[in-house]
Amino acid sequence: DGGITQSPKYLFRKEGQNVTLSCEQNLNHDAMYWYRQDPGQGLRLIYYSQIVNDFQKGDIAEGYSVSREKKESFPLTVTSAQKNPTAFYLCASAGGRREKLFFGSGTQLSVL
Amino acid sequence: GDSVTQMEGPVTLSEEAFLTINCTYTATGYPSLFWYVQYPGEGLQLLLKATKADDKGSNKGFEATYRKETTSFHLEKGSVQVSDSAVYFCALSDYGGSQGNLIFGKGTKLSVKP
Repeated sequence: DGGITQSPKYLFRKEGQNVTLSCEQNLNHDAMYWYRQDPGQGLRLIYYSQIVNDFQKGDIAEGYSVSREKKESFPLTVTSAQKNPTAFYLCASAGGRREKLFFGSGTQLSVL
Repeated sequence: GDSVTQMEGPVTLSEEAFLTINCTYTATGYPSLFWYVQYPGEGLQLLLKATKADDKGSNKGFEATYRKETTSFHLEKGSVQVSDSAVYFCALSDYGGSQGNLIFGKGTKLSVKP
């Protein structure tokens, strides 16, 4: 089955720790995205990548980093510089005109 | 810049009631418009879309019409079910703009009671 897979489903971060969220897709999509979802805030774009080995900051990139070494993979690292990391993180991918996004099932990150 | 404004929720309805979730947009060009749905604990799924003025998108009993004169794309359903309980997001595509990404509204939570 084609799709987009995020792991883990739940993740806990200790003070001062970096954590990495995984996102893999087998849809052969060029574009991939990371969104942060907070209650009542909708979706906010963290980073996006339109092609392998290239990525751009979104609206709230501070405290986060990404890489895009393979077309299928777009991991997100939440660094210790992100002071309020507790949120639901969604990864998405898109092909063609980038209009229909396919979303993973999300990772809930919490701080211990 | 481009933006999307949705009615604030939560919206609580009884089963078989009529649903309207308002969405208006601001855009400099001619965007495509979308409704996405998020069921509890899941990612978003595309519900319907419309790519030009006067187009009507429809899926699973939901409908929305692209109204350029009122810059609106309101979501409607004639008879909601408990299984429709979810968060609904209106979005527009600024493809051809600086980012070529979707711009989402804040979401409207719908709860349907039996």
